[in-house]
Amino acid sequence: AQKITQTQPGMFVQEKEAVTLDCTYDTSDQSYGLFWYKQPSSGEMIFLIYQGSYDEQNATEGRYSLNFQKARKSANLVISASQLGDSAMYFCAMREDYSYNFNKFYFGSGTKLNVKP
Amino acid sequence: GAVVSQHPSRVICKSGTSVKIECRSLDFQATTMFWYRQFPKKSLMLMATSNEGSKATYEQGVEKDKFLINHASLTLSTLTVTSAHPEDSSFYICSATDRTNTEAFFGQGTRLTVV
Repeated sequence: AQKITQTQPGMFVQEKEAVTLDCTYDTSDQSYGLFWYKQPSSGEMIFLIYQGSYDEQNATEGRYSLNFQKARKSANLVISASQLGDSAMYFCAMREDYSYNFNKFYFGSGTKLNVKP
Repeated sequence: GAVVSQHPSRVICKSGTSVKIECRSLDFQATTMFWYRQFPKKSLMLMATSNEGSKATYEQGVEKDKFLINHASLTLSTLTVTSAHPEDSSFYICSATDRTNTEAFFGQGTRLTVV
């Protein structure tokens, strides 16, 4: 079964507006971490934000916030005040804390975000 | 944050030759390194996990004789694509964790083209 699902292959947003990128996950573990990474065309993976499964508050990092709904197993990324430089692929990922290799990540299929001027 | 350096960033090789990709942790000791493969416009697919000083663990469907992984030191892991074919052309990216295992740091990736 797919552990991470991103249902939006591509998204458009107007510059300065907010956008939500969807992510749902599947795990039977109680302890896990959820991550969002940005991958520009150059290829490197840029860490954006992290949410632990036991964190009660939604994570925020500058213009990025993670809308964590544990019961629904969703971890949507919200980017506020979009900038042209936000155009990139965005990947949602999960790490199961009790897996043999703690930092084995499961990645979603990604969402290509295009910010329009 | 910690830095993971991957080299080369781009490589073109002839079909039938082997190519080695290096992944180095620059300011921490990487007890575990992961190798991923990414097809165009696709997600990252985990190929193998390597722990320093032991044999790599390969994911199902990944040919261990084709993709040789060595993690001989705490700062270096290498992926060697042996007898490369055009279908091996892809983007390969590594990640590394330290002893605390609290975070994974990614390299910049290597774009391999086999002609």
